[in-house]
Amino acid sequence: DSGVTQTPKHLITATGQRVTLRCSPRSGDLSVYWYQQSLDQGLQFLIQYYNGEERAKGNILERFSAQQFPDLHSELNLSSLELGDSALYFCASSVGGTSGLNEQFFGPGTRLTVL
Amino acid sequence: DQQVKQNSPSLSVQEGRISILNCDYTNSMFDYFLWYKKYPAEGPTFLISISSIKDKNEDGRFTVFLNKSAKHLSLHIVPSQPGDSAVYFCAAGVFKISSGSARQLTFGSGTQLTVLP
Repeated sequence: DSGVTQTPKHLITATGQRVTLRCSPRSGDLSVYWYQQSLDQGLQFLIQYYNGEERAKGNILERFSAQQFPDLHSELNLSSLELGDSALYFCASSVGGTSGLNEQFFGPGTRLTVL
Repeated sequence: DQQVKQNSPSLSVQEGRISILNCDYTNSMFDYFLWYKKYPAEGPTFLISISSIKDKNEDGRFTVFLNKSAKHLSLHIVPSQPGDSAVYFCAAGVFKISSGSARQLTFGSGTQLTVLP
């Protein structure tokens, strides 16, 4: 158990809909990262938040947005869903900053299926 | 543009033997490298990491080697056990202080390791 929790575990929805994925980082971790893993693909970095502020952005679509709240949990919002958005979405956390502690710890993921 | 490549999608080894998983990268800015193991229906689990100032890091049965001139790293598992069967991802990032607190990782596509009893 990495200490990172994600809800829900599975999500099935229809094209055009909007969903919210939730992540709670490990206790004490200030950084939260979101990654997408499509079928037979590696993990693609989407976005990073550090202590409530966006720190880095990867290949995140404009239809997707994220935020990190004062209690450090994070939400990833996916809107106008398309079939191609079906994937595993992972959240990871790390101590972050310039601590030198660079390892990221991953949650179990949310499997999104868009029908 | 794949900055981190794992060219072998799968590898099979006999229990007790050495498993060697390989990874190549193209971005010379990467200064920190990690290996993750992933079982089905679970998130990736951190295994071992190495900073670019080192060329080897060892943790129990796992050793990571870094060859900066060749932009190549490898993970050695000795001895291999059936429980090691999983997908192994190589990841890299830029962790210099000058990059501030941005710490995203770039992952390879993974290698499925099967350890045969």
